[in-house]
Amino acid sequence: GIQVEQSPPDLILQEGANSTLRCNFSDSVNNLQWFHQNPWGQLINLFYIPSGTKQNGRLSATTVATERYSLLYISSSQTTDSGVYFCAVERGSSNTGKLIFGQGTTLQVKP
Amino acid sequence: DADVTQTPRNRITKTGKRIMLECSQTKGHDRMYWYRQDPGLGLRLIYYSFDVKDINKGEISDGYSVSRQAQAKFSLSLESAIPNQTALYFCATSDFGPVGSYNEQFFGPGTRLTVL
Repeated sequence: GIQVEQSPPDLILQEGANSTLRCNFSDSVNNLQWFHQNPWGQLINLFYIPSGTKQNGRLSATTVATERYSLLYISSSQTTDSGVYFCAVERGSSNTGKLIFGQGTTLQVKP
Repeated sequence: DADVTQTPRNRITKTGKRIMLECSQTKGHDRMYWYRQDPGLGLRLIYYSFDVKDINKGEISDGYSVSRQAQAKFSLSLESAIPNQTALYFCATSDFGPVGSYNEQFFGPGTRLTVL
């Protein structure tokens, strides 16, 4: 099956710093989503981005489908950005909606 | 009101008990999913359903069953709970479209289940 690898596994930042999270996947995809899991366990949709670039406030994401990776950028980080960031993909030949999740990047933003 | 709701939010049960987790959605989506998350890991798919009469096994369906009672409701049952089913359980929904169309998934708040 398709493999999803996220890096780095852990990241500690000072408030105000910028960061880049990476998601590599081993096959073509027709769905790629970024999620933020907050300390209470809730999953928050950040981006639906199977290709191209999107921005939402301090966050932006880029997916280069031909090279099988996606990047999540966090600028001017805040303590509320802390939590786990997941990348999830659906294999390109599938239309089942079955998402395969990476292991996540745990981000801690210190005041 | 939340678009995808799950009940209960927390549950502690004993080995061998039957337990049901419920999911409801007001998004009008046809597709519904149940995922499980173990500590420190990503989510894994248990079952999914494309409509009321459609049930499909996911990656880790053993020990679980589901029921799609209506378009808006999808229940997950543990017939005889065991301690290694202790996990965070998520329900999700998505719309239906051709391959490559907009199939973003939306998740409920999760149910934290502990099996003693």
